[in-house]
This record gives sequence, structure tokens and C-alpha cells, in this order.
Amino acid sequence: SYELTQPPLVSVSPGQTASITCSGDKLGDTYACWYQQKPGQSPVLVIYQDNKRPSGIPERFSGSNSGNTATLTISGTQALDEADYYCQAWDSNSVVFGGGTKLTVL
Amino acid sequence: QVQLQESGPGLVKPSETLSLTCTVSGGSINSYYWSWMRQPPGKGLEWIGYIYSSGSTNYNSSLKSRVTISVDTSKNQFSLKLSSVTAADTAVYYCARLYLAASYYFDYWGQGTLVTVSS
Repeated sequence: SYELTQPPLVSVSPGQTASITCSGDKLGDTYACWYQQKPGQSPVLVIYQDNKRPSGIPERFSGSNSGNTATLTISGTQALDEADYYCQAWDSNSVVFGGGTKLTVL
Repeated sequence: QVQLQESGPGLVKPSETLSLTCTVSGGSINSYYWSWMRQPPGKGLEWIGYIYSSGSTNYNSSLKSRVTISVDTSKNQFSLKLSSVTAADTAVYYCARLYLAASYYFDYWGQGTLVTVSS
């Protein structure tokens, strides 16, 4: 079955740029999206179709997808961006989630 | 604004069937795909399956033998049944709308409901 791999933990200082990767075989041949999940809350879509932001998502969130890796980039990271982030893709009519990355802002 | 709300028992005994319902408000269930996910405590998201408003379904292969998802368009609801549950099925269960066209993503989520499997 298809697998998406994310680093378990990414740390960033406030105001700096955070990059979270998601790796999968030929991931760039399909669309990837990203969710933010804060403790005790439901996931929120922050990037879809590789690099599009839903209404209400700050411009500091951006995405890219090429080759075997999709990347979520958060520019000017703020304390409120501290959360778990999950990538998601589509394979053979099935949904696949990455294992999640905990972003700490310190 | 579309809203989803999960409902069902928070405690299920081992070997029994877990049953949850998701009620959709603020929009029609027709012409969309709807899905269930779960998240064990402290762990990541797992996709369970999806259903189209017409009733066609697709399930995670790892759960397929135990899962049934159904839809009731007259009530704007869809439901999950998971049979023969064990402690490993303890999780927060989410329902969500699956946007399935040029790309594939979940744009609306319920708040989630914790289901504990225990005797």
C-alpha cells in the first residue's frame, strides 16, 4: 500500500521559516494537501492541490510538490502555528495520510 | 457554512459493533462524497472509508472486512458501522466532507467523538 513519510518533529524559532516534508513514491504525480491540528481540535485544511490556500488561511502558509516530496512552508512562523501537521494524498481511489509532524515554535 | 456533527455511544464492548452517525447541516448531502477517519489517542489520522450520496463506497483495505458506511439522504446523514471491535479501535472518530474532483481533500470536518472499547 502507498505510504507517506513525515518527520515526527520539526522545531523553529519565532519569525523564522519552517519546512515540513512529506515523502512518497512519485508523490509529485498526484496532488498533496496539508492539515493543521491543534490539541483537542479537529484538523483544519491549510493547503490543497499542492499550493492553494483555503479562504481564511494566512499567506505565510505555502506548499509545493515535486518528484517524491511535498513540502509545507510556514514563513514568519508564529507561536500560534505550533501544532501537528498532516499531509494527505490520493492513491488508487484511497485516501492516504502521512504520520504527522509536530511543529514546535521555541 | 457546512457543519458536521458526529453522534453515537462513547463506550462499546469488545466484539460488539461500533455505530456512529454524522449529521450534515448548512448544505445538502447530495452530490458530495463523505468520509470517516479516526485517530487513536496520541497517534495520527487513519482514513476509514468514504461514500457518495448515491451510496457507492470505498473502504480502507485494512478495515474493509469490518466496515460499513451508509447514507440517508432524507435525513442528511451518513453512518459508520465497525464490527468486532477491540481495544485497538479506541479512537476519536471524525466525519468529514471529501472534495473529490480535480484534487482530493477534506474541506469540512466534524468536531470528533471519542469511542472507547472496553468491557
